[in-house]
Amino acid sequence: GQQVMQIPQYQHVQEGEDFTTYCNSSTTLSNIQWYKQRPGGHPVFLIQLVKSGEVKKQKRLTFQFGEAKKNSSLHITATQTTDVGTYFCSPYSSASKIIFGSGTRLSIRP
Amino acid sequence: NAGVTQTPKFRILKIGQSMTLQCTQDMNHNYMYWYRQDPGMGLKLIYYSVGAGITDKGEVPNGYNVSRSTTEDFPLRLELAAPSQTSVYFCATSPGQVFGGQFFGPGTRLTVL
Repeated sequence: GQQVMQIPQYQHVQEGEDFTTYCNSSTTLSNIQWYKQRPGGHPVFLIQLVKSGEVKKQKRLTFQFGEAKKNSSLHITATQTTDVGTYFCSPYSSASKIIFGSGTRLSIRP
Repeated sequence: NAGVTQTPKFRILKIGQSMTLQCTQDMNHNYMYWYRQDPGMGLKLIYYSVGAGITDKGEVPNGYNVSRSTTEDFPLRLELAAPSQTSVYFCATSPGQVFGGQFFGPGTRLTVL
């Protein structure tokens, strides 16, 4: 079945530093979604990527979908304390059921 | 619009007891999902539904049952609760399975002692 690896598991950064999380799949994907979960909260949908090589931006967040549609990344520029939380990818392929990556937990030193 | 609502927010069960977790949505979405999230872990799909009267198993269905008699409601039934079912349970909806994100409820925190 489809395997997904999300790295790193944790990242602790100084406020103002950049942050990147990566999601790697063993199979070619139809699309990939990204979610953010604040501590004690529920996952919130951020974005969906569909096209090979696609890049989308939301303010300080940049999302990329690999050319081979097997990997994706989320990059945050100049982190703020409001970025604290766990970021999950959810890759989708027609061959597998819905899965979520294990998440990257971001903590920030003010 | 309330979006996705879940009840109860918290519950403590004794081993062997049963309960139903309620999930209601007013978004008119066909797809609904139940996930569990163990502490510090990701989300595991328990069951999902593509519309009223249609349900299917996810990754971790054992010990759970679901039904979908209406578009709005998707209850999750736990029979013979076990400590391994201690978790946070999230219900989610989406307009489709391939396109469009999932919208999550606030969750139910369940402890089985």
